[in-house]
Amino acid sequence: DAGVTQSPTHLIKTRGQHVTLRCSPISGHKSVSWYQQVLGQGPQFIFQYYEKEERGRGNFPDRFSARQFPNYSSELNVNALLLGDSALYLCASSFQGMDEQFFGPGTRLTVL
Amino acid sequence: GENVEQHPSTLSVQEGDSAVIKCTYSDSASNYFPWYKQELGKRPQLIIDIRSNVGEKKDQRIAVTLNKTAKHFSLHITETQPEDSAVYFCAATSPGTYKYIFGTGTRLKVLA
Repeated sequence: DAGVTQSPTHLIKTRGQHVTLRCSPISGHKSVSWYQQVLGQGPQFIFQYYEKEERGRGNFPDRFSARQFPNYSSELNVNALLLGDSALYLCASSFQGMDEQFFGPGTRLTVL
Repeated sequence: GENVEQHPSTLSVQEGDSAVIKCTYSDSASNYFPWYKQELGKRPQLIIDIRSNVGEKKDQRIAVTLNKTAKHFSLHITETQPEDSAVYFCAATSPGTYKYIFGTGTRLKVLA
């Protein structure tokens, strides 16, 4: 069965650039959440989307934005990249958002 | 704000022994507590979860207990095996917040 997929797998950017990360949820799941995981730490919540609406936002600056499409896939955008944005970005899908979340493999972003 | 503390940060046990990881949450409204296992370079995998209306849940060698009064929950792994070696994360979520708050992780090493 197809799990959560994310693209790209790895990405290298320089400071000041912007990046778009993509996520496709498990078929039938309507909610997508985004997390940032810095090496050695737990995932930090960035956004949750449900039925194309933002339903929750973590403590991240406005440089971070996201959207969800009619097919429930999602994009995470980060503008004006900083060195500190280097991390593993994880997408998680669930049926409604308050139930079991299943993670994708992540996108490893390196900012130079 | 919401917070989840996780202890210990590292845990080494002999194969066949039991391992216990503890988490404490701050938001008394939290009602869902999943546990994830993350192997090196891989996505977090949901291994067990518990809701606030249940005090204990067991799945083969893994069990989770919840003490709502003390606001803490624990993961218990019995008869540990080398393949149990990984980083384990606890998380908590509250109704209406739509975000999972993760602990800082426990690196479990099972020594053969």
